[in-house]
Order: sequence, then structure tokens, then C-alpha cells
Amino acid sequence: DAGVTQSPTHLIKTRGQQVTLRCSPKSGHDTVSWYQQALGQGPQFIFQYYEEEERQRGNFPDRFSGHQFPNYSSELNVNALLLGDSALYLCASSAVVSYNEQFFGPGTRLTVL
Amino acid sequence: GNSVTQMEGPVTLSEEAFLTINCTYTATGYPSLFWYVQYPGEGLQLLLKATKADDKGSNKGFEATYRKETTSFHLEKGSVQVSDSAVYFCAMGEAGTALIFGKGTTLSVSS
Repeated sequence: DAGVTQSPTHLIKTRGQQVTLRCSPKSGHDTVSWYQQALGQGPQFIFQYYEEEERQRGNFPDRFSGHQFPNYSSELNVNALLLGDSALYLCASSAVVSYNEQFFGPGTRLTVL
Repeated sequence: GNSVTQMEGPVTLSEEAFLTINCTYTATGYPSLFWYVQYPGEGLQLLLKATKADDKGSNKGFEATYRKETTSFHLEKGSVQVSDSAVYFCAMGEAGTALIFGKGTTLSVSS
């Protein structure tokens, strides 16, 4: 059983560019959450998708947007990248019946130069 | 607002020593509580969980008890190993909300 997968593993972008990160949830899971983890910090919640809709959003600007597809996979898009967007981006999946138990992927390391 | 506070690290121990990492939470409702572990260069792995007061979560020799009266969920292990070296995150989640994490505690175990 494949767990949560994310792509790419690493990414280097320059300020002002746009980036798309991808996530496939664990089999049987229908809810995907995205977190940003800055170096030396705990993960911060960006948003959560269920039934292809954003269900909840953290304190992140509109430059951060997402999408969930019918197969439950998800994308995170960040526009107009800033140096401060450099972080590990973690995707977590869960089943709606137990959405507090989230399983995390390995993350995408984004570096903005 | 809701928050999680865990002890600052790093925690440095010798192999077979006893481990305690303190975690307290502030919540308006009745959250589930979690400990996650992150090994270098990897994502987070769920270590253990507790969903209601007085529940004890346990896994791989680690334990934590949900203490509502002290709003705490301290992580303990009786005898740590070098392979336990990692960053440990305490987290809480109320029904219908995202997980809120502490800042993490780095554990380093030497042989």
C-alpha cells in the first residue's frame, strides 16, 4: 500500500516565479491538507481539500492556492514567489471519518533564490 | 486561541537513558493529541495518539497520556536508543480543524 507521495522532491525557483507542487493521498483517503514547514519550525497549516473544495484555510495569502482532483490527488500553487516561501511543503492525507489522524508525505523542499 | 507548547531542545541523552519531552496545549474544545517524529530529510511520521482524556497512546516503547486536568501530553520512553535521534512534534486537532503543531524538540542520543 503506497503511502502519501509528493513531487517533486526538490525545487529551486527565483523570486516572482510560480510553482506547482503535487500530492497523491494514501489509498482510501479522501482529504488532503497542505502544510508549510520553515527551517527549525513546526508545520503551519495552509489549507485542506475535501470533495474538490477548499474546506479550511490557514493564515496564508491568496498567492497560495490549491486544487483537488476527482481521484483525490491535489496540487498546491504558489504565485509571485518570495524568498520567505523557501520551506518544506508537506502534504497530509486523511479519511473524512477520522480527519484528525493525518498521514504525511516526504515533502517537497522549495528554495527561492 | 488554540496552541501547543513543547519544551525547547535540543535534548541530549546517552543510550538507555529515560526520556521525557513536555507538551502542553490550549484548546477551547476537546482535541485529539498526537506525537509525530521527523527523521533528517524526511516527512512526519505519526508516533502515537490519544483521542480523549486519560487515554494513553503508545508505540515503539514511547508513551504519552492525555491529561485534561493539566492540559498536557508528555512523551516518555524508558530507554532511548541511538536510532531514536530525531525531531519530535506534539500536535493537537479538534474535530473539523487542522492540526496545530508545537515547534519541535530535537533529540540526540549518543552511544
